[in-house]
Amino acid sequence: EPEVTQTPSHQVTQMGQEVILRCVPISNHLYFYWYRQILGQKVEFLVSFYNNEISEKSEIFDDQFSVERPDGSNFTLKIRSTKLEDSAMYFCASGTATLGGPKNEQFFGPGTRLTVL
Amino acid sequence: SQELEQSPQSLIVQEGKNLTINCTSSKTLYGLYWYKQKYGEGLIFLMMLQKGGEEKSHEKITAKLDEKKQQSSLHITASQPSHAGIYLCGADIPYLGSARQLTFGSGTQLTVLP
Repeated sequence: EPEVTQTPSHQVTQMGQEVILRCVPISNHLYFYWYRQILGQKVEFLVSFYNNEISEKSEIFDDQFSVERPDGSNFTLKIRSTKLEDSAMYFCASGTATLGGPKNEQFFGPGTRLTVL
Repeated sequence: SQELEQSPQSLIVQEGKNLTINCTSSKTLYGLYWYKQKYGEGLIFLMMLQKGGEEKSHEKITAKLDEKKQQSSLHITASQPSHAGIYLCGADIPYLGSARQLTFGSGTQLTVLP
């Protein structure tokens, strides 16, 4: 069964460093998402991506964050200068599309645990 | 903004017992998702409900969406230790017909005692 994959599973970085989190969405999906979950808190939406551009972003997704789909299969989240409060589990999700919008079923990857020291 | 309240926050049941988890929205839901999460791991898609009164079942798990589309329940029959985990409900927020983000509840931690 197709699934969303994410690498690495765990990333440890020093404050101020750049990190890139990688995701391979399900192959026939056209909508891509990043969410994050700070330990013990709710899963929060960061950004959605469709047709090679950001569709929607939350207030969490500030100028330190960027997303890219460089090669038609990978979907990446970059944090330019990490802060302690960026420590969280980051989930990638992908969804199918129907006329007028996504089919609404979003499938999540296993997550990347980011630890900022 | 859309708020989702889940209850209870945690639940401990004996193996074999039935249980229900509730999810209540502050606004009419466009779509309601149920996911299961093991602590520190990814979200496993369980079911999605869209129509008022809709009910879906998978193995021993049944999810319902009320007619007003503001409340959903997840019912597990004859619970097993494999059902243990965190159950999350998520609401579909349409945005001008484009890619839709999900808003999640706080989750219900389910423990099943053997």
